[in-house]
Order: sequence, then C-alpha cells, then structure tokens
Amino acid sequence: GAGVSQSPSNKVTEKGKDVELRCDPISGHTALYWYRQSLGQGLEFLIYFQGNSAPDKSGLPSDRFSAERTGGSVSTLTIQRTQQEDSAVYLCASSLATHGRFTEAFFGQGTRLTVV
Amino acid sequence: AQRVTQPEKLLSVFKGAPVELKCNYSYSGSPELFWYVQYSRQRLQLLLRHISRESIKGFTADLNKGETSFHLKKPFAQEEDSAMYYCALSPGNQFYFGTGTSLTVIP
Repeated sequence: GAGVSQSPSNKVTEKGKDVELRCDPISGHTALYWYRQSLGQGLEFLIYFQGNSAPDKSGLPSDRFSAERTGGSVSTLTIQRTQQEDSAVYLCASSLATHGRFTEAFFGQGTRLTVV
Repeated sequence: AQRVTQPEKLLSVFKGAPVELKCNYSYSGSPELFWYVQYSRQRLQLLLRHISRESIKGFTADLNKGETSFHLKKPFAQEEDSAMYYCALSPGNQFYFGTGTSLTVIP
C-alpha cells in the first residue's frame, strides 16, 4: 500500500492476556516509530527503530512492552499481561532520511486497544 | 526532558476569530519544527513545517529562536479547523511531540 498500515484496527482483550500489534511502514522508509495516544495525554513516545535496531526505547513504560522490527520493514509491538491502563490508541509512523535528516513522519491509522 | 510544550490542552474560538496555538520547545542546535493535525476519525498528518515557510489551509507558523517558540496562527478560524493539533520537533533522527491542543471552532 501507499501508506503506513496497522493491524488490527481494533483489539479488545482480557486483562492478563498478551497482545501483538503490527505495523507495515511505507516501503523504503528506514525509520519507524511507535507512539501511544491516550485521552488527555497526547502522544507518548514508545520506541524508535532505525533499520532493525532500536537506538531509543526509552519510552517503553514497563518490561511488559517489547517491540521488534525485521527485514527493515514490518514491526510488531507486544504487550504482555495486559493491564487496563494499557488501553489506548497505538500509533505507528515511518520516515525516510533525506540528506541525513528525517523530514516528515507518516502515520498509520492506529490500533485501538481496549483491555477489559 | 520535555522538549516540546503545548500549554493549552483545550482551546475554543468563534468562527471568524483569530486563533493561535502555542508551542515552545527546548533544544540546543537547529531542530526542525512541525505542526501535525488530526481531524476526527482521520489519521495524524503533517500540516506544515518551518523550513517550508508555507501557509497551509490559512495557517502559518513562525519559528522564533529567541523565544524558542513555534506558534501556529490563523487570522480567521473556520469550523473545519476543529481538530487536535500537535507541535513536533525533530533534531534529525527522531520526532518529539507535544501533548497536543484540541481546537474547537464554535459556529
């Protein structure tokens, strides 16, 4: 596709279960970002990938959160033993370096996670 | 460290009135500044960036390095401007977003 694609669009899970969120970035984009959007909290940075490595994972809220990226493309964000406070919209974005700088981040439509 | 600050979570203006969404940043060097917008039920998208010095949908934003601000302005607000607005900073390899301002334009 032409844009960043995320799946699933919506996910309802029971507290304590694990969930996996997927992001397909724009083809050729080397950088990939995960953010969490909560009501009243704005956009919270989670992790950033450059290729398959994550130079900055400082935003992951706890060790229940992990992410990986393979082949410099698809990324998955995994949340283990989900808690109700994990309920939010998880956004993925990708960008391409131009002259060594990332000039724009393109966002997916997000995955709305609800933990019941 | 908080790099981007948007002091207003909510902002309401009447249609036709001027609107200013505030953004202050803290970063040494020469970062790039952006404004992103999210309309209801749509994905987050770029509105404008400071290096382009362009006006998009009547919005402009001037980078003031002395005040470290990048406020978004529009002289006459329209109902379709109602949305969530995020200010963002990029030092070149990352994007840092503010907490956002929800703008409501009252008809």
